[in-house]
Order: sequence, then C-alpha cells, then structure tokens
Amino acid sequence: DIQMTQSPSSLSASVGDRVTITCRASQSISSYLNWYQQRPGKAPKLLIYAASSLQSGVPSRFSGSGSGTDFTLTITSLQPEDFATYFCQQSYSTLGTFGQGTRVEIK
Amino acid sequence: EVQLVESGGGLVKPGGSLRLSCAASGFTFSSHSINWVRQAPGKGLEWVSSISSSSNYIYYADSVKGRFTISRDNAKNSLYLQMNSLRVEDTAVYYCARQDRGSYDYWGQGTLVTVSS
Repeated sequence: DIQMTQSPSSLSASVGDRVTITCRASQSISSYLNWYQQRPGKAPKLLIYAASSLQSGVPSRFSGSGSGTDFTLTITSLQPEDFATYFCQQSYSTLGTFGQGTRVEIK
Repeated sequence: EVQLVESGGGLVKPGGSLRLSCAASGFTFSSHSINWVRQAPGKGLEWVSSISSSSNYIYYADSVKGRFTISRDNAKNSLYLQMNSLRVEDTAVYYCARQDRGSYDYWGQGTLVTVSS
C-alpha cells in the first residue's frame, strides 16, 4: 500500500504569512495527489486536485506543486478562515490513502 | 446543487451491526464512483471503501475487509455501507464522498458511529 507522510504535523502562523505544507508518497504517484482543507466540525473540502489544479471556487492564494513522490501545498497571505487542518491524498491507487494531516494554528 | 446526506449512525455494542445510507441529489449519481471515508475522534481521515458507478468495481481497506459491505442503488440515488462485527476501533464519523477525476469533490456532513459496551 502507498503511504503518505505530511510535514509538519502542525504549525503556527500569523495572518498574512506564507505557509508551506509538504507531502511525501512512499512510491511514485505521478501527479495523482489531492489536497483537502477541514475546519473543526466540518467535512473536508477539496482544494487542489492532480497536484496543481485549483478546484473551482477555491481562492487563488492556494497552490499546489510537485510530482513523483514529493508535493507541496502553499498558502500565500494566510487569512483567518485558513486556520484549519490540511490533508493530502493519493489517487494513484484505488485505496485513496490520506496523509496524517497538518494543523495550521494562529500564532 | 450537489448534496450528499448520510444517515444511520448511532450507538452499537461491539460485535453488532449497523447500516449507513448516503442519499445523493443534484447530479447524475449513476455516473460517479462513491467512497466512504471515516474519521475517528480527534484523528485523521481514513479511506474505507469505494464502489464504481455500475458497482463493477468494489474495494475495501484492509481494516474493514470481510466485515463491511458497500453497495448502491442507482435508481434510488443511494449508497449504503453494511457494517458487521463492529469493533471499538470502528468508532468514527463516516462520510460519503463523490469521486471525480480521482479526487473527492463533494462530501456529506457525516454520521457518527459509536461502538461501545
């Protein structure tokens, strides 16, 4: 099975900061990588699919990059509503493994 | 508007059974694979099971294989998860999620399953 590892597990940042979250796959997954945002008590929300494609309606301050085994989610100019937990997910195999999550907290 | 609404969660004793449902609306249900994803309290997301649009392809996580059964009724725009031999570690919020281009673009609000004696 493909394992997904995110780093860091949590981070503290201020409004306006640039934030970068990384996700590493245990084997090459080409660009089959998705990013989700989950606010407390809510369902996950798709932000980025196919490593770098922005889901409709998602602000352009969110971007994704990478291929193979290493991927990055970047949030430029962090906004108050961006404080949440972020998960990566591989869709290379049908067993859609998620990373363990990165919690973005207010500094 | 795309909507997915889960139901059927509740409190059940270890070894018991429960059947979850997911009612879909606002899109052509029969054109999409649908997934069940769960989240234990305070934990991350765990993919549970997937069913293709015509039920031809069905997959399970190792943690539920042999105990859970996914099914769908395209005429009723509904997805199901039959959960048998439930364990304490199956306690979680269970989400149904629509699959599109490999990603899960719409999610339900979730239904809580608690397995406890």
